[in-house]
Amino acid sequence: ETGVTQTPRHLVMGMTNKKSLKCEQHLGHNAMYWYKQSAKKPLELMFVYNFKEQTENNSVPSRFSPECPNSSHLFLHLHTLQPEDSALYLCASSQNRGDNYGYTFGSGTRLTVV
Amino acid sequence: SQKIEQNSEALNIQEGKTATLTCNYTNYSPAYLQWYRQDPGRGPVFLLLIRENEKEKRKERLKVTFDTTLKQSLFHITASQPADSATYLCALDMQAAGNKLTFGGGTRVLVKP
Repeated sequence: ETGVTQTPRHLVMGMTNKKSLKCEQHLGHNAMYWYKQSAKKPLELMFVYNFKEQTENNSVPSRFSPECPNSSHLFLHLHTLQPEDSALYLCASSQNRGDNYGYTFGSGTRLTVV
Repeated sequence: SQKIEQNSEALNIQEGKTATLTCNYTNYSPAYLQWYRQDPGRGPVFLLLIRENEKEKRKERLKVTFDTTLKQSLFHITASQPADSATYLCALDMQAAGNKLTFGGGTRVLVKP
């Protein structure tokens, strides 16, 4: 375990469903991130939270809605997704900019939209 | 816009040899560059960070160099082992204020016994 826990590990959802991905870290980090990793593409930064405040939305469609209730928990709410949204969704955390010990990633949620 | 380029072709190497991976970037000059390892179905794991004023960094069998003139970092795995087989990603922060780590596409390394 890396210290960043993501649930569920696998999720299959229909295009009309609503679901949420959960991320939890107890490393004492103050920044959390959502990344998307599609097949044969680099990791894409989606959202950044610093001290619970969203500081970056990387032009992500509104069908993805993040929530950060405290510095230990991060959610990604999903609704009316498209098949091309199928990917590995990774959560990460860091202390400040991550310019000492890098980012700590969870194992990801493998999402399939049918 | 900033580009981070890694060799997308897999690197096949014999056990015991040194694997050398390249990371090139354009435009932006980062204050530091990071390297990660990713195994199939798992999240990336942080390996090393090198700052712009450092030419070389080592950690066990890993060595990273950073040439800000060439806009290039080299990642070396010496005395490679089959357990080193994975995808290796380089990453750099896209803005001076931080918190926007952008990744290259990664290079897959396969170490054969």
